[in-house]
Amino acid sequence: GENVEQHPSTLSVQEGDSAVIKCTYSDSASNYFPWYKQELGKRPQLIIDIRSNVGEKKDQRIAVTLNKTAKHFSLHITETQPEDSAVYFCAALSGGSYIPTFGRGTSLIVHP
Amino acid sequence: GAVVSQHPSWVICKSGTSVKIECRSLDFQATTMFWYRQFPKQSLMLMATSNEGSKATYEQGVEKDKFLINHASLTLSTLTVTSAHPEDSSFYICSAPSNEKLFFGSGTQLSVL
Repeated sequence: GENVEQHPSTLSVQEGDSAVIKCTYSDSASNYFPWYKQELGKRPQLIIDIRSNVGEKKDQRIAVTLNKTAKHFSLHITETQPEDSAVYFCAALSGGSYIPTFGRGTSLIVHP
Repeated sequence: GAVVSQHPSWVICKSGTSVKIECRSLDFQATTMFWYRQFPKQSLMLMATSNEGSKATYEQGVEKDKFLINHASLTLSTLTVTSAHPEDSSFYICSAPSNEKLFFGSGTQLSVL
């Protein structure tokens, strides 16, 4: 089955800095990679996703890059703000499946 | 995006009692829903896949008789934790797919005394 590794487990940055979270996956059949943001005690919210036919996708301060050859994808947050503080999960899914394999999560702390 | 409603948000119960958690898709139909369990500071662990009109599919290690799942309609799935014990205390969360994306309920924090 699919295995998703996520690093780092904790990331602490100063407000205004950039944050990068990296994930690797094992199943070459995986073709959809969503990122979720989860605040304490709340539901995971989809913040950005990318499909395997695209190498990069950007939405305002958030971007995701995908390297299919190396089987890794990354989340980039620029100009971080305290409200970006949360746990971020990457996930990988393969064709037609709605069951994601989640990474272990990254706790992002943005210090004002 | 699609809305998935989950109730209750939190529940405290005595050991040995049963607790039912409801998950509803409000603006779309969901033939499939997923139930996850999440421990503090950990990732989401898939417990089972709920299928409308048929039996749920449980992940390895999840007790079917302990965690009863019913998918009564295209918009409602329920998870019943039977004879709850303190080790069942956790954050339970459902999700449903819509337009090739996965949307989550707000979660239920279960505390068993």
